[in-house]
Amino acid sequence: AQKITQTQPGMFVQEKEAVTLDCTYDTSDQSYGLFWYKQPSSGEMIFLIYQGSYDEQNATEGRYSLNFQKARKSANLVISASQLGDSAMYFCATPLRGGSNYKLTFGKGTLLTVNP
Amino acid sequence: DTEVTQTPKHLVMGMTNKKSLKCEQHMGHRAMYWYKQKAKKPPELMFVYSYEKLSINESVPSRFSPECPNSSLLNLHLHALQPEDSALYLCASSRQGAYGYTFGSGTRLTVV
Repeated sequence: AQKITQTQPGMFVQEKEAVTLDCTYDTSDQSYGLFWYKQPSSGEMIFLIYQGSYDEQNATEGRYSLNFQKARKSANLVISASQLGDSAMYFCATPLRGGSNYKLTFGKGTLLTVNP
Repeated sequence: DTEVTQTPKHLVMGMTNKKSLKCEQHMGHRAMYWYKQKAKKPPELMFVYSYEKLSINESVPSRFSPECPNSSLLNLHLHALQPEDSALYLCASSRQGAYGYTFGSGTRLTVV
């Protein structure tokens, strides 16, 4: 079955340090890449970064970067210089085809806690 | 306008009530979605309205019914809900299936 796997239910990091959140995918359709979202306790789903499956370079967006290893089917999110406001749930997601539609399908998420 | 607007932000309803959740976007997106999310879990897709065609997750009970009055609006009508339906309901839209997903800020629903 096609799926997205996040193996870390929770992670802790010290403020100002870097942290890596894992995500692997197992999909037969590799036309589309991977998205990472942040969801603070307020509930809003905030788009962070996208990695296209045919991109040669790792995606970067400010303090967020992706460690994309296509052969291993992994797209790990690296957050540099963690801030207290980074404490949130983090989801990786990919569009999976269902019938005539694509639906954004999520991993189980990782709860990141940044300690002062 | 690059937002998906959801109203209300919070809703408390009794099991015999009828209420509606509203979702609106003005980005010209042709697909809109409703997701249900329980605490500490990933969102689960309930409905997709794409190119004027509705797709339903067959596990969603009939007490939830979507309505798309026009291409910018996707409402979710609620009737005779159960306490286990209490959750965060997220609306999203996308410009072309897999790309450009934008989420609303969600409606926190409590059924009492």
